[in-house]
Amino acid sequence: GQQLNQSPQSMFIQEGEDVSMNCTSSSIFNTWLWYKQDPGEGPVLLIALYKAGELTSNGRLTAQFGITRKDSFLNISASIPSDVGIYFCAGYNTGNQFYFGTGTSLTVIP
Amino acid sequence: DAGVIQSPRHEVTEMGQEVTLRCKPISGHNSLFWYRQTMMRGLELLIYFNNNVPIDDSGMPEDRFSAKMPNASFSTLKIQPSEPRDSAVYFCASTLTPGLEAFFGQGTRLTVV
Repeated sequence: GQQLNQSPQSMFIQEGEDVSMNCTSSSIFNTWLWYKQDPGEGPVLLIALYKAGELTSNGRLTAQFGITRKDSFLNISASIPSDVGIYFCAGYNTGNQFYFGTGTSLTVIP
Repeated sequence: DAGVIQSPRHEVTEMGQEVTLRCKPISGHNSLFWYRQTMMRGLELLIYFNNNVPIDDSGMPEDRFSAKMPNASFSTLKIQPSEPRDSAVYFCASTLTPGLEAFFGQGTRLTVV
């Protein structure tokens, strides 16, 4: 199935630092979504993007829908310990199939 | 709304047994997805339904897997016979309509011994 390439695969940062991760696809996507997954839980939606070029914020999180419709990025500002988890990008392609990225594991060091 | 509800949360079964995983989507949502998550392969889309009709089952690994959605409020994923390599966390997600944000259940952790 479709693979969304997410990078970096893992990050270790100091509390208070900003974080940036991105996601790329070989095909066009109509919707980009960013999720966070805590251990033993299902992915929880953070931000949804529906238009190319769209920039959306949710508190300390900001995400953008790439102009080419083949990429998206997520920024977290002023990280805190509870930001620890695995972040996934996801998207719907033109056939309305819904695929997930490979995930970015974030560790925040107090 | 209680969100997407999956049951059971954990299932341990012996190889060869039939396993049935259940999902109740959010009321009013018309699309439902089943995913499998493993360390090696991440989140894999198995099948998705729109208005109770299977639209794409190309991710279903083999004939031992089957999924049904008899009505808008219930779906099952069945594995028969189960094998140790089926051990994974299985997630169900629903969305109002394809293309909009999808919401996930808490998953079923399946262990086949």
